[in-house]
Amino acid sequence: DTGVSQDPRHKITKRGQNVTFRCDPISEHNRLYWYRQTLGQGPEFLTYFQNEAQLEKSRLLSDRFSAERPKGSFSTLEIQRTEQGDSAMYLCGPGTQNTGELFFGEGSRLTVL
Amino acid sequence: AQSVSQHNHHVILSEAASLELGCNYSYGGTVNLFWYVQYPGQHLQLLLKYFSGDPLVKGIKGFEAEFIKSKFSFNLRKPSVQWSDTAEYFCAVTGRMDSSYKLIFGSGTRLLVRP
Repeated sequence: DTGVSQDPRHKITKRGQNVTFRCDPISEHNRLYWYRQTLGQGPEFLTYFQNEAQLEKSRLLSDRFSAERPKGSFSTLEIQRTEQGDSAMYLCGPGTQNTGELFFGEGSRLTVL
Repeated sequence: AQSVSQHNHHVILSEAASLELGCNYSYGGTVNLFWYVQYPGQHLQLLLKYFSGDPLVKGIKGFEAEFIKSKFSFNLRKPSVQWSDTAEYFCAVTGRMDSSYKLIFGSGTRLLVRP
């Protein structure tokens, strides 16, 4: 049990389609982070929330990507007009304020055909 | 630019051998350092962390890491590996002056332990 539920665990889609991932931390944390991991690489920061406010977005997050955390609990990451280069594992998890310690979920694997 | 280098991409060891995985970071200012592990088919888990104090930190499953500030290094060690240590290991850094505390990860080291 990771303490973080991510849904769906695996999504296969055709190029040009929209996809949405959901992240549900079991416990309450002010901070929630999204990362992306491609094959052979470490996780790369995408964005993070402090409660419902999105405070920072990486350059990796093009305008096709949007993330929300409407009530400061669960979060969603939407990718519009998917491209093959979006194929990756999308990780989310709460983070401890003032240390950076992250608790990752199982991830949502996206395959764009 | 802020970065983490893990020079060994693949390591193969026999059981009971000693392990040392290198991690060097480039980051201005005071840092917090982490090692995460990803066992086959599982999620990323925290192995150990360093914030301050004793530069030799101990983590789970007999792992330890040493922070050497002058070398910008945070190498991971284990005296005697087991087959169950087969996994991918990631070093990560964040800066205490960065209010986001986002982690910067290395590209990982795949460890295969042969029985």
